[in-house]
Amino acid sequence: DTAVSQTPKYLVTQMGNDKSIKCEQNLGHDTMYWYKQDSKKFLKIMFSYNNKELIINETVPNRFSPKSPDKAHLNLHINSLELGDSAVYFCASSQGGGGEQYFGPGTRLTVT
Amino acid sequence: AQSVTQLDSQVPVFEEAPVELRCNYSSSVSVYLFWYVQYPNQGLQLLLKYLSGSTLVKGINGFEAEFNKSQTSFHLRKPSVHISDTAEYFCAVSGSGGSYIPTFGRGTSLIVHP
Repeated sequence: DTAVSQTPKYLVTQMGNDKSIKCEQNLGHDTMYWYKQDSKKFLKIMFSYNNKELIINETVPNRFSPKSPDKAHLNLHINSLELGDSAVYFCASSQGGGGEQYFGPGTRLTVT
Repeated sequence: AQSVTQLDSQVPVFEEAPVELRCNYSSSVSVYLFWYVQYPNQGLQLLLKYLSGSTLVKGINGFEAEFNKSQTSFHLRKPSVHISDTAEYFCAVSGSGGSYIPTFGRGTSLIVHP
């Protein structure tokens, strides 16, 4: 069974569209994260949720909105997509903050 | 606040040679330290971690790292690399006392040549 899964794996869309990426973990962890990895492999944390509560909200445009319907899911919705949003987005989970993280396979978003 | 510096963006080595990937951190609190590996087109996976106790930590695939508090370093080593070790390696730090915003280094690309 996949520990952290993301859908879709690839997402190609045009500027101005709205899209969502879904993440699910079956590890029973209480903390989930969204990261953005740019073309130079730099990994930047965007959001973190602990028990469905937003804990970390780094400086990201408010076009990005995370939603956590339950502890096992953390979805990312992006409005009005821009060229600069093209990147690989990773979901991750951990038990408590500060512990080792388990990453999903990533979603490669391409905005044209 | 905490930060992580991976001193080398790229490390080329020949197969069966030893390798060291360097990582330095700064933090005002006690820390947990991690090394993750990212193979091409995959997510990150944990190689090893230091939480407390012995400063020499052994991980998967023959890797090990040593926590040096006085030098604020956590360098990753392998005595003999394989072609399959070609990947991106990330050092990460988080505060052990409740400040758990994880901070990742910019990554080191290990390139193993035959």
